[in-house]
Amino acid sequence: AQSVTQLGSHVSVSEGALVLLRCNYSSSVPPYLFWYVQYPNQGLQLLLKYTSAATLVKGINGFEAEFKKSETSFHLTKPSAHMRDAAEYFCAVSGANRDDKIIFGKGTRLHILP
Amino acid sequence: EPEVTQTPSHQVTQMGQEVILRCVPISNHLYFYWYRQILGQKVEFLVSFYNNEISEKSEIFDDQFSVERPDGSNFTLKIRSTKLEDSAMYFCASSDRGSLHFGNGTRLTVT
Repeated sequence: AQSVTQLGSHVSVSEGALVLLRCNYSSSVPPYLFWYVQYPNQGLQLLLKYTSAATLVKGINGFEAEFKKSETSFHLTKPSAHMRDAAEYFCAVSGANRDDKIIFGKGTRLHILP
Repeated sequence: EPEVTQTPSHQVTQMGQEVILRCVPISNHLYFYWYRQILGQKVEFLVSFYNNEISEKSEIFDDQFSVERPDGSNFTLKIRSTKLEDSAMYFCASSDRGSLHFGNGTRLTVT
């Protein structure tokens, strides 16, 4: 069975500050890991994914995430927050099979303070 | 870039009515999914579909739900007799190599 836990349902950072959104996973098989972003009233957009290649994954909009097997973590970071980053962020996990479903975490709403 | 499209964007229906939510997946994708998101809650897996049959379904996907790929391009989710608790955002997704591409969703409101 697979699951993800996102620590903090709401995170607030000042514009220009570091963004850190935490995600820990549980998986009985080598996982694929994902971060999706959901802007208000929109669908889910893939930010980045880890598929067993490089452990540091760079995504869109300046975000990156590091897979740490020893900590079962896949935290999302961005060096400098921008107002447009305000959104809901979902960490997700799947197995490595092509048809494996993705299991989502509960999401973290990121607020950017001016 | 190809995208998954869903129609309608918003559907309002009365309790007990049947609804069909429509999706056009990315054309060369082979795996199809429906997820739902009740307001303020997490995105939940409903069902996956491959090779014209359901490959996996969750506990949520009971006998009131069905999926179909009627014509090789559309992928539909039918709710036979809607309940108030079916009100949610329903997302369709398709996949080829393990990354799901999501549509913008259909907001279903059951009154």
